[in-house]
Formats: sequence, structure tokens, C-alpha cells
Amino acid sequence: GAGVSQSPRYKVAKRGQDVALRCDPISGHVSLFWYQQALGQGPEFLTYFQNEAQLDKSGLPSDRFFAERPEGSVSTLKIQRTQQEDSAVYLCASSLEGWIYNEKLFFGSGTQLSVL
Amino acid sequence: GQNIDQPTEMTATEGAIVQINCTYQTSGFNGLFWYQQHAGEAPTFLSYNVLDGLEEKGRFSSFLSRSKGYSYLLLKELQMKDSASYLCAVKRGGADGLTFGKGTHLIIQP
Repeated sequence: GAGVSQSPRYKVAKRGQDVALRCDPISGHVSLFWYQQALGQGPEFLTYFQNEAQLDKSGLPSDRFFAERPEGSVSTLKIQRTQQEDSAVYLCASSLEGWIYNEKLFFGSGTQLSVL
Repeated sequence: GQNIDQPTEMTATEGAIVQINCTYQTSGFNGLFWYQQHAGEAPTFLSYNVLDGLEEKGRFSSFLSRSKGYSYLLLKELQMKDSASYLCAVKRGGADGLTFGKGTHLIIQP
């Protein structure tokens, strides 16, 4: 596609519900990142994939958060037993080459998650 | 820990020049990025500095001093569409994700 696509655009969940957020990176992009952005804050790193390999998951806040990219393209961020503090915008970003080349990231518009 | 500081909010006048400062203290440095983010939209790349000095790109310029842990973004000939948040971000290591500051909300007045 022309850009990074994320779905759904908005998600409302009841506390304790599981949610799955999808990211379609730009076709052919090797690197994929997930970030969490709270209202009025900068994005916080969650996890990084190079192709299908998850190279860094140090930013995932708890074991309720899980991300996968099984075929090296589409990625899914899953949050189990959602809590109110999980409410945020979840941003996905991709870059063409391996991230070591300091390329710019292309971000999606994000999924705004509200946990009631 | 990692610390990236930038002003929370700035106001400037259409047609004028504004400088947004960013200071950082991080364990490792492998480049500094500036992104623009309009409300409810994706951050978009503005600039990248890894060596000291000024990088100019049209109306936007970015400066880096690694010894001082300091960068600024300079916006010239301000337009109303420049009203947005400006995010300073540091890449600490070769494969590390970006560490972002909280962003500077820039308001352009007529």
C-alpha cells in the first residue's frame, strides 16, 4: 500500500477484554516497530521486528502484551485482560531496510484504544 | 535512565521564525530525529542528525551538538499549517528503537 495502515482506527474495550490491533506496513519494508502514545506524551517504544524475527521486546509493559509478525509483513499487537492504564494510541512504524541504517520511520495513524 | 527534554508548548506568529530546543541524556547516541505530528495523525519525519552541525531542508533546519547533548529545530516563514507537535527522538544504539521526548506543541497565530 501507499502507507502504513492500522486497524481498527478506534477500539473501545471493557476492562478484562482481549484486543488485537493490526498493522500493515509499507510493502517490502523489513523493519517494523510498535509504539504506545499516551495523551499529550511522546511515543514509547514497545517492540521491534526485523522481518519475522522479534529482535527487541524490552518495551512491552507486561506479559499481557504480545506481538507477532509471522510472515514478515503484517503484524498484530495483542493485549490480554485489558486494564484502564492500557488506554492510549498504539502506533506502528516501518522502514525499508534494517534499522541499523538509521532510516526514517514511516508511521501509521494509530489505533486509539479506550478501556472502560 | 533516558531523559529527553523539550518545551511543552510554544507560540509563534505566522511568517516569523521559531526555534524548538531539545536536550538529551541517554546511554548511547546513534542519531537524533525530529518528527512532526498533527493532532490525531501519524508522526512524519522532518530531519536526522548524527554529526555536529546544521542540516537544512527548505523551511526547516536542525542542529546538533553531541558534546552538549543538544539539538534544535528551526522553522522559518511559519505557516498556519505548521501548528502541530514536534517530537525530538534519540536512537541510542544500532538496533534500538527511538526514544522520544514528550513533544512540543507549537501554536501559530495570525
